[in-house]
Amino acid sequence: SQQGEEDPQALSIQEGENATMNCSYKTSINNLQWYRQNSGRGLVHLILIRSNEREKHSGRLRVTLDTSKKSSSLLITASRAADTASYFCATDGGYQKVTFGIGTKLQVIP
Amino acid sequence: DVKVTQSSRYLVKRTGEKVFLECVQDMDHENMFWYRQDPGLGLRLIYFSYDVKMKEKGDIPEGYSVSREKKERFSLILESASTNQTSMYLCASSFSGRRAGELFFGEGSRLTVL
Repeated sequence: SQQGEEDPQALSIQEGENATMNCSYKTSINNLQWYRQNSGRGLVHLILIRSNEREKHSGRLRVTLDTSKKSSSLLITASRAADTASYFCATDGGYQKVTFGIGTKLQVIP
Repeated sequence: DVKVTQSSRYLVKRTGEKVFLECVQDMDHENMFWYRQDPGLGLRLIYFSYDVKMKEKGDIPEGYSVSREKKERFSLILESASTNQTSMYLCASSFSGRRAGELFFGEGSRLTVL
């Protein structure tokens, strides 16, 4: 079964706005990661947050993790048309097994 | 740069054929993974391997097998392809243990079974 579930499944915003995507998971984790996928391509790693961290930043990305609620959020600030892609959260629950959610499809309108 | 190479971007096979999907990584990663991606279902883990000749079932291993004879190569095998195995297959690799974290993905292999 899939560990993570992203919400919303689709999001459409204007360029310059912020985009927030959420991920919920079911069991305890070692870390949670966010990936991006352009249409028809492989996934590219964006950011990793460990279970003992609450917030992490990378450029225009901000990730939060709430292990008590088993949830994470990805915030993309000042979005650009080039941010249009699908975004996935992935959880590592140990034993090297990494599972992904269904993804959020983000469209940024110029 | 880490490179994960999948042998074929597009394949068309017939029902009942044996299908091999090959994946090679050049970063000396211990872990390798096979996922399939379908619309509305996201990525689902088929099998993963944490060492040569070692394999673990993922969430949907039925109808698939894998082989890892060398550290850099992880093969996905469909013994008798069926139409419901039409999908995008994604291979990934990563370090394990203290260096575990980021997965590096190949570009994907889109398989159509007729």
